[in-house]
Amino acid sequence: GAVVSQHPSRVICKSGTSVKIECRSLDFQATTMFWYRQFPKQSLMLMATSNEGSKATYEQGVEKDKFLINHASLTLSTLTVTSAHPEDSSFYICSASRATAYEQFFGPGTRLTVL
Amino acid sequence: GIQVEQSPPDLILQEGANSTLRCNFSDSVNNLQWFHQNPWGQLINLFYIPSGTKQNGRLSATTVATERYSLLYISSSQTTDSGVYFCAVEAGTALIFGKGTTLSVSS
Repeated sequence: GAVVSQHPSRVICKSGTSVKIECRSLDFQATTMFWYRQFPKQSLMLMATSNEGSKATYEQGVEKDKFLINHASLTLSTLTVTSAHPEDSSFYICSASRATAYEQFFGPGTRLTVL
Repeated sequence: GIQVEQSPPDLILQEGANSTLRCNFSDSVNNLQWFHQNPWGQLINLFYIPSGTKQNGRLSATTVATERYSLLYISSSQTTDSGVYFCAVEAGTALIFGKGTTLSVSS
């Protein structure tokens, strides 16, 4: 149990376009979902926390207008990178948990390359 | 905010050797997890261990919450154990990750 999927696994886009990444909890209801970003050879950095039906909470330094997060249901959260630029190229990973302070389960990640 | 430090940063082992990875954290935590990130980037849950000791096969973990550290033990290491091991703690609403320990196991 506790499987989290992400789609797409890899995306290459042109500068200026928008990219949507989906995160789904397949076998449990996720009251809270998290989005992380990871640069090569570095650790994961939390971008935002989202609870179903409410606005996401963004970490300091993360542009909320650039990284739009929607948590429409207990099994789906989406991250949209708007007007992507090469510096947005990174590995984006989502996680889901049944509640705060509970175990988090991670998706396989999405590798975004902006040309 | 809370600080998470992992040691050693890199570890090279021969197959069959044992190892201990350490995670120190600077404040009280509600949650502590150990992960293995495989070469494709997938984070694999190893332990959810805010306190106490757990074992799963060749792996075990101990968290001493009062002293703010956790240890991950890998026994009889195999080449498939190679990768990055992360410790992450939750003090408020989300996990804060350490910088990881990169483990290389050679045959």
